[in-house]
Amino acid sequence: ETGVTQTPRHLVMGMTNKKSLKCEQHLGHNAMYWYKQSAKKPLELMFVYSLEERVENNSVPSRFSPECPNSSHLFLHLHTLQPEDSALYLCASSQWTSADEQYFGPGTRLTVT
Amino acid sequence: QQQVKQSPQSLIVQKGGISIINCAYENTAFDYFPWYQQFPGKGPALLIAIRPDVSEKKEGRFTISFNKSAKQFSLHIMDSQPGDSATYFCAVLSSNTGKLIFGQGTTLQVKP
Repeated sequence: ETGVTQTPRHLVMGMTNKKSLKCEQHLGHNAMYWYKQSAKKPLELMFVYSLEERVENNSVPSRFSPECPNSSHLFLHLHTLQPEDSALYLCASSQWTSADEQYFGPGTRLTVT
Repeated sequence: QQQVKQSPQSLIVQKGGISIINCAYENTAFDYFPWYQQFPGKGPALLIAIRPDVSEKKEGRFTISFNKSAKQFSLHIMDSQPGDSATYFCAVLSSNTGKLIFGQGTTLQVKP
């Protein structure tokens, strides 16, 4: 695998379910990001991890819980989501010293029913 | 508040034509201005970027024009091809925060 990978690519979950999104980067980067992409809206930064420590939490509801066990892996744990949380969730990585060059994964298309 | 305004929302261009997408920003603290290209089913990919010390940057058929005083920058795609059909996002970044702020995106369709 190369670049940034995300699993699953598609996820349908009910409002009472608990699920997790996984991201893995194979680029040797030390910063990882979660973005939310909704139709007709700009990409929204959700969380930033640098050297496995969370440095940004962009007022995201607590039903989204990130985890970064090491510099290559990033998770987004989901519980009791709402239908408006349906979106494409994108993971990205970069070197922390050059956050401008962010590399994105293909995303997980999440549908909350 | 919307710090980056992108236009148009959608664009249809004939093959061989010039595609132009514009972005305007509000804060002078930004020091990096990238454009991302996103194909269906893929994540955004960095296409071309510029820093405010130059007014234009060209890479192949893609050119960024930057107007610092007007706080605007634009993407020009010369000789547009059907393979350029994608969604394009402008973004701004402040090196102090390391946060990318994106525009709303422009869906480009290049007709054969």
